[in-house]
Amino acid sequence: KNQVEQSPQSLIILEGKNCTLQCNYTVSPFSNLRWYKQDTGRGPVSLTIMTFSENTKSNGRYTATLDADTKQSSLHITASQLSDSASYICVVSGRYSGGGADGLTFGKGTHLIIQP
Amino acid sequence: DAGVTQSPTHLIKTRGQQVTLRCSPKSGHDTVSWYQQALGQGPQFIFQYYEEEERQRGNFPDRFSGHQFPNYSSELNVNALWLGDSALYLCASSLGRWSNEKLFFGSGTQLSVL
Repeated sequence: KNQVEQSPQSLIILEGKNCTLQCNYTVSPFSNLRWYKQDTGRGPVSLTIMTFSENTKSNGRYTATLDADTKQSSLHITASQLSDSASYICVVSGRYSGGGADGLTFGKGTHLIIQP
Repeated sequence: DAGVTQSPTHLIKTRGQQVTLRCSPKSGHDTVSWYQQALGQGPQFIFQYYEEEERQRGNFPDRFSGHQFPNYSSELNVNALWLGDSALYLCASSLGRWSNEKLFFGSGTQLSVL
């Protein structure tokens, strides 16, 4: 069964500090992995998307890494801001899903709180 | 350029009632997918509509049904509501059925069943 596990479940850091969120997946064969940011009560917004041939991708202060061999990804946030407080969801698409919406496996997310 | 819009934003219903949620896709998109997100969980795929037909379906009972209109907007209907149906319902749109990497989400409808 395809699964996406994220850690930690929740994280509290001080404004200005860096943090790293983890994602492990069992989806195989793998097509792409994306990270979404979801503010409370809102829909997810895409931060990065990586295919199996990419091992890093940045979007401003967000940098995602991917190790397709170990099936692990991380999202690093640099110089955190209060607006970074949100849930961060890791989503994996299987290669044989054909790109359909049912081919996505969502993690439960990491709830990040930035304190002033 | 309007993104994905959903209505209403919040809804309170009682057990056994029926509910209809609405979604307008992002301009230029023709495919709508619906997801259910329980508190503290990741979104679960309900179904996808393309060319006014249900094309893919997740593991949800027949109480969950939908419709897509010629203008690509969509409705999600849930009959005989259970307490467990309380969740954030997300609509996502894309251009074509097979482009999940270009999925855009709406802000969701928060449904509470009492």
